[in-house]
Amino acid sequence: AQKITQTQPGMFVQEKEAVTLDCTYDTSDPSYGLFWYKQPSSGEMIFLIYQGSYDQQNATEGRYSLNFQKARKSANLVISASQLGDSAMYFCAMRADRGSTLGRLYFGRGTQLTVWP
Amino acid sequence: EAQVTQNPRYLITVTGKKLTVTCSQNMNHEYMSWYRQDPGLGLRQIYYSMNVEVTDKGDVPEGYKVSRKEKRNFPLILESPSPNQTSLYFCASRFRRFGQPTNTGELFFGEGSRLTVL
Repeated sequence: AQKITQTQPGMFVQEKEAVTLDCTYDTSDPSYGLFWYKQPSSGEMIFLIYQGSYDQQNATEGRYSLNFQKARKSANLVISASQLGDSAMYFCAMRADRGSTLGRLYFGRGTQLTVWP
Repeated sequence: EAQVTQNPRYLITVTGKKLTVTCSQNMNHEYMSWYRQDPGLGLRQIYYSMNVEVTDKGDVPEGYKVSRKEKRNFPLILESPSPNQTSLYFCASRFRRFGQPTNTGELFFGEGSRLTVL
């Protein structure tokens, strides 16, 4: 079974500082995709960044980067230069690209990030 | 504008009163899915559909039904709601096939439907 673990229920960071949100995953499939979504207090789910299991380089999208360590099965989200608007719940998710759970997306329990001035 | 639309956004109902949460997408996506979000549990998949007339159970299907008669619509049906179905519900869609670099297979989410069952 797929499993996503986010060990930090809450994180605090000062504005303009960088923050790392942890995510580990468990799968025996060789092909999979990793996602991070942001959920602000308004409730919508916003796609942030994607990493494929065969990607050689870490994904980056503006201030977001994904620190992908395949051997450790970790996919940490790094937010550089935090802004007040980054305060939100962040979800890590994994999609199996083969096998009986092909295409299904499994989510972690989330990390609530608070950015303070 | 490409979007997934859910209705209603907010609903308070009583135990046993059948309700339907509608979901519609305008992106021609084959894959659609329903999730529920509960505090401390993240998002859990209820049902999903790979295409018209093809549906399958997710991790928490009990108490729910779905149908996929048209590609764009994927309604979630609660035949006899109970208080433990009080939750935030999300519909999501994506293309069935994915492959980089142009299509990562990301899910596009609706805005959520907050359901309270008394």
